[in-house]
Amino acid sequence: RKEVEQDPGPFNVPEGATVAFNCTYSNSASQSFFWYRQDCRKEPKLLMSVYSSGNEDGRFTAQLNRASQYISLLIRDSKLSDSATYLCVVSLSHNAGNNRKLIWGLGTSLAVNP
Amino acid sequence: DTGVSQDPRHKITKRGQNVTFRCDPISEHNRLYWYRQTLGQGPEFLTYFQNEAQLEKSRLLSDRFSAERPKGSFSTLEIQRTEQGDSAMYLCASSPPVRGGLEQFFGPGTRLTVL
Repeated sequence: RKEVEQDPGPFNVPEGATVAFNCTYSNSASQSFFWYRQDCRKEPKLLMSVYSSGNEDGRFTAQLNRASQYISLLIRDSKLSDSATYLCVVSLSHNAGNNRKLIWGLGTSLAVNP
Repeated sequence: DTGVSQDPRHKITKRGQNVTFRCDPISEHNRLYWYRQTLGQGPEFLTYFQNEAQLEKSRLLSDRFSAERPKGSFSTLEIQRTEQGDSAMYLCASSPPVRGGLEQFFGPGTRLTVL
């Protein structure tokens, strides 16, 4: 089992649709969680961190379920500009200090169509 | 531009040649990471520096790969005797000392093509 698994995608949705991405992680000791966005042939950029209580940033909502080891990202009222690959990222405790390695999912491709 | 910069942006080389890439992190960031990414895959961790100390190397990093960060500022990644399988995007990221350095800021990457 991969350490971080995401929906295979690709997702093709019309403008204005609501789309949800799921991600599961295998290591119960994982401590922090993120969604990154990567446009075609560009570098990844942090979209949002995922907090235990769930968090929202405009049209984007992230949720974490530690018991099920599951993270989700919901995009409401999708825009053409949301078309990108969304990467689920998990941190593992590397050692007793603050050094933590990030484990990346393969990403889920989203295409928002007019 | 005060973001992470990488040089060169593109590199085409013949199999067997050595290549070196440079990364300049955001100035106040003490952590620096190298990743490799191929099409359809997420970034694969290669190595990590905190200041000038190389704290972790992935098993993916064969002995043909070496990375340095001599003064705790810019870093170089060298690949010796390149192979076609080394063709990929090489991404550098840096992170600040706060919050355990988890939020990473990426450079534009160096796309390597080995012929």
